[in-house]
Amino acid sequence: KAGVTQTPRYLIKTRGQQVTLSCSPISGHRSVSWYQQTPGQGLQFLFEYFSETQRNKGNFPGRFSGRQFSNSRSEMNVSTLELGDSALYLCASSGGTSGGRGWETQYFGPGTRLLVL
Amino acid sequence: ELKVEQNPLFLSMQEGKNYTIYCNYSTTSDRLYWYRQDPGKSLESLFVLLSNGAVKQEGRLMASLDTKARLSTLHITAAVHDLSATYFCAGLFGNEKLTFGTGTRLTIIP
Repeated sequence: KAGVTQTPRYLIKTRGQQVTLSCSPISGHRSVSWYQQTPGQGLQFLFEYFSETQRNKGNFPGRFSGRQFSNSRSEMNVSTLELGDSALYLCASSGGTSGGRGWETQYFGPGTRLLVL
Repeated sequence: ELKVEQNPLFLSMQEGKNYTIYCNYSTTSDRLYWYRQDPGKSLESLFVLLSNGAVKQEGRLMASLDTKARLSTLHITAAVHDLSATYFCAGLFGNEKLTFGTGTRLTIIP
C-alpha cells in the first residue's frame, strides 16, 4: 500500500507570497491532518479534514487554510507568508470514523519543507 | 487543553545501557502515541496505547501507560546505535486533536 505523499517536498518563497501544499492520503483513509514543525514550537496541529469537512482546527491565524477533495486528497494554503512560517509541514492520514472517536494511528507523509525569505 | 511534557529533552547513552523517556500529560487523554523521527525525515509510528496499564513492546523498545498518573514511559533496553533518533509522545484528547510533546533527542554512543 502506498504511503502518504506530499508535494512539493521543498519550497522557497518570499514574504507576502502565498503557497499551496498538497497531500495524498493512504488509499482508503478519509481523515487528513496537517501539522507544522519548527525548532522553536515543535509539532503543532493545524487542522483536520474528514469527508471534505474541517473537523478540527488548531490555534493558527486565518492565513492558514485548507480543504479536502472528494478523493480525500487535501491541500493547505498559507497566504501572506511571514518569515515565521518557515517550517516543515507534515500531513498525516488515518482511517477516521464518522462521529469523532476511533483513530488508531496517524501515518505521516515525508513533509514539505517551506523556507520563507 | 491537553499539554504534553517529555523529559529529558536530550539524552546521550552508551550502547548496551537501559534508559527511560517520560511523557506526562495534563488532562485525561483518550490514547497515547509514540513516534520516532530521524533527522530530516517524517514521523514513524511506534506504539499506540489505549488504556490504563497498557504495555507494548517492539524489539528493544517498550511503552507503557498509567492513566491515573497521566504518565507514559518509553523504555529502551540494551541500546544500539540504530535507535538514535528523536522520540515524540502525543496525546489524543476528546476532539481528536493530537498534541505532541517536545520530543526527546536520543543519541546512542558506541
